[in-house]
Amino acid sequence: NAGVMQNPRHLVRRRGQEARLRCSPMKGHSHVYWYRQLPEEGLKFMVYLQKENIIDESGMPKERFSAEFPKEGPSILRIQQVVRGDSAAYFCASSPWTSRTLYEQYFGPGTRLTVT
Amino acid sequence: AQKITQTQPGMFVQEKEAVTLDCTYDTSDQSYGLFWYKQPSSGEMIFLIYQGSYDEQNATEGRYSLNFQKARKSANLVISASQLGDSAMYFCAMRAGSGYALNFGKGTSLLVTP
Repeated sequence: NAGVMQNPRHLVRRRGQEARLRCSPMKGHSHVYWYRQLPEEGLKFMVYLQKENIIDESGMPKERFSAEFPKEGPSILRIQQVVRGDSAAYFCASSPWTSRTLYEQYFGPGTRLTVT
Repeated sequence: AQKITQTQPGMFVQEKEAVTLDCTYDTSDQSYGLFWYKQPSSGEMIFLIYQGSYDEQNATEGRYSLNFQKARKSANLVISASQLGDSAMYFCAMRAGSGYALNFGKGTSLLVTP
């Protein structure tokens, strides 16, 4: 059973370019969460999606960032016109459902974005 | 508001010794879950252990145990018989109430020495 997959693992973009980060959840998981980890910080929640729906984007910056989880295909985190402050590790996690179990959130290996 | 505090930026321990990593939390929710994750230098997040707020027993997973003191709002991770491969960043996290987002502390860097 393959785990959560993220690609690319490393991404270098120049200021002003667009970054697209992909996340394929574990098989059977229909809930995806994106987190951002700035250098020497813990992970910060960005957005929670179910198939074709954004459930909570309270952690997303208001501009330049967007996320989607289409019916078919991976979840995409898109950052437009990247700036140096966007350099971070972006983690995706998935879960089978939101329930009282609370702990079934499995993380992918992360994408390290470097903006030059 | 929910908050996770890890006050130890770095810890050293000798191989085969036990080590305790501190975590305190703050929430007004009665129902919550506490997690510990390990992040080695390769960067992935590895789930270690989970404790529910209504669990009466402290959680244990192999060499990991969680010292849960609800009244003090602390959820310390105890690693017994440390191994060199335990050298990593360790993050405490909480998920509270009906929420689904994990709130992470800033982490503790653990170095296990021979």
